[in-house]
This record gives sequence, structure tokens and C-alpha cells, in this order.
Amino acid sequence: GAVVSQHPSRVICKSGTSVKIECRSLDFQATTMFWYRQFPKQSLMLMATSNEGSKATYEQGVEKDKFLINHASLTLSTLTVTSAHPEDSSFYICSARDHQGRIGQPQHFGDGTRLSIL
Amino acid sequence: LAKTTQPISMDSYEGQEVNITCSHNNIATNDYITWYQQFPSQGPRFIIQGYKTKVTNEVASLFIPADRKSSTLSLPRVSLSDTAVYYCLVGVSGYSTLTFGKGTMLLVSP
Repeated sequence: GAVVSQHPSRVICKSGTSVKIECRSLDFQATTMFWYRQFPKQSLMLMATSNEGSKATYEQGVEKDKFLINHASLTLSTLTVTSAHPEDSSFYICSARDHQGRIGQPQHFGDGTRLSIL
Repeated sequence: LAKTTQPISMDSYEGQEVNITCSHNNIATNDYITWYQQFPSQGPRFIIQGYKTKVTNEVASLFIPADRKSSTLSLPRVSLSDTAVYYCLVGVSGYSTLTFGKGTMLLVSP
């Protein structure tokens, strides 16, 4: 089946550090990838939609200068949390859909990145 | 995007069949119904997807009535490892963004 890989799985860093998270589709091409954030005991909240070769679309309330998204190829999207602070600590998850984009193709999710800012 | 409503939690015992119902009264003509499973500190895992009637795969069945305003995920003979949060989502699968509701926390006991 379709596999989405996220790296790193866990990051612990000091306040003010910028952190990059990678999301890769391993066995399919993805024109569109999605970035979610999940706080403890809460559901996933969509942060932004990442489109290959163009600017990402951010959900209301998500700072685009804080969460930089780059989708330079059909298999890789990156999320950079710039100047991270403790309130940015969360579980970040990406998902991707097959480039073929046929109706009925579900999104596939990575295993998430646990970000802890000290 | 169609809003979904699921029970917040369900309890079951090993070996029982579990049915989780999701209501989506405003589902659109092109929307598919997709169920995901999520374990703590992991990303959601695709379980099953359907458009109408019944869909079955190696892990679950999905029942969708004719009006498509609800759906039921059926997990046969659950085990302890099925303890997880189950999310029901509707949308034009593959194209639209997914809006996650609160999901259903299923607890399977020995």
C-alpha cells in the first residue's frame, strides 16, 4: 500500500530554534500534501495544504511566516517551524494523496513528529 | 464539507463485534465516507472507504444506507490491539481536505 514517511519522529530543542520536518511519499507521487497539528487528547487540525511547485495554502489562524512549507518535488514536502516556542510543542502529522488523484483514492498519513520545545 | 457526528467513546470485550455509527446529514453527492484508526503518537491509518451500500475488506466492513446520511463501521471479533480512536470523515476522497471530528475512542477489554 501507499506509504508516507515522516522524519524525524521526535524532536526536542530549545526555545528559539527552527525545526524542519520532512514528509515523503515513498511509493507514489503526491502533488498535494497536507500538514496537521494535534494537541494531546484532541483531534487533528489541518494547518496547511502543500502543493508541488506552488505556494502552500494555510488555514485561518495559522501563521505562514511561522510555519514555512516547501513542496519542491512530487515526493517531498517540508514543514519548518521557525523560532519555535513552547506553545508550538505538539504532534505534527502529514498526509499525501496519489498524484493520479482519482476520485476514491484516500489520503495516506505519516507517523507524525513529536515536537517538544523547552 | 459535511460535518460528522460519532459517539465519543465505546467499550467492548475481546472477541465481540463492534459497530461504530457516524452521522453525516449534509453529505454531498460526490462525497466518499472514509474511516481511519489512530493509535497514540501515531498518524491515522486508513481502514476502509465507501460510497454506498456495503464495502468489506480484510479488517472491517462499512455499511452505508441508501440515503447516505449515516454509515456504520463494523469491526468483527475485536482484540485488545483494536483499542484506538476511530475517525469518520466525508469528502471528495483524494481531492478535498479532510476535516477531523473528535472521533470515537474504542476501549477493548479482556
